[in-house]
Amino acid sequence: GDQVEQSPSALSLHEGTGSALRCNFTTTMRAVQWFRKNSRGSLINLFYLASGTKENGRLKSAFDSKERYSTLHIRDAQLEDSGTYFCAAGDTGNYKYVFGAGTRLKVIA
Amino acid sequence: DTTVKQNPRYKLARVGKPVNLICSQTMNHDTMYWYQKKPNQAPKLLLFYYDKILNREADTFEKFQSSRPNNSFCSLYIGSAGLEYSAMYLCASSRDYYAEQFFGPGTRLTVL
Repeated sequence: GDQVEQSPSALSLHEGTGSALRCNFTTTMRAVQWFRKNSRGSLINLFYLASGTKENGRLKSAFDSKERYSTLHIRDAQLEDSGTYFCAAGDTGNYKYVFGAGTRLKVIA
Repeated sequence: DTTVKQNPRYKLARVGKPVNLICSQTMNHDTMYWYQKKPNQAPKLLLFYYDKILNREADTFEKFQSSRPNNSFCSLYIGSAGLEYSAMYLCASSRDYYAEQFFGPGTRLTVL
């Protein structure tokens, strides 16, 4: 099966509310990154974590290698937060990152 | 400077013709990656270099080639483009295998 399971696949939020995206891993991962796809199709870095939590503005991320998951929390969602978010985890055994399938977030007024 | 550059930004190719995409970074990163991204799909790793060592994914082994003549530069070569190669091609680099990856703006390839 897939090494990285990302959920939900799609999410609608009202402006000002918040929610969490999650990635579960089937094996021990060395590090995790969260990205947002921009309008051109490239990936913008949100967070890189080897452990613990990081916060940047309205976004907060956590990574627990032992429990095999990572989360991305969005609070006070704004319309411009709409887009597709990906997690990618560093596979210890294969020296590469494995991507989740993505979460399509839509923020509505 | 965490910039990864890719050229060209858009590429139109004919079926059966070769395609060469270029990526560069000036961060002195040891690892450079090429991903293929299609709409509504996750980025798919095609291959990566660690220093001068090329690692190609098993399911794309025969379809893509690459070269890295120096630390800063990496190319992706398609010998004979097929319609299924139409996609966004993303280059990324990182200091080491599990370090933070930085992505370039991508090359949108359309095969006709």
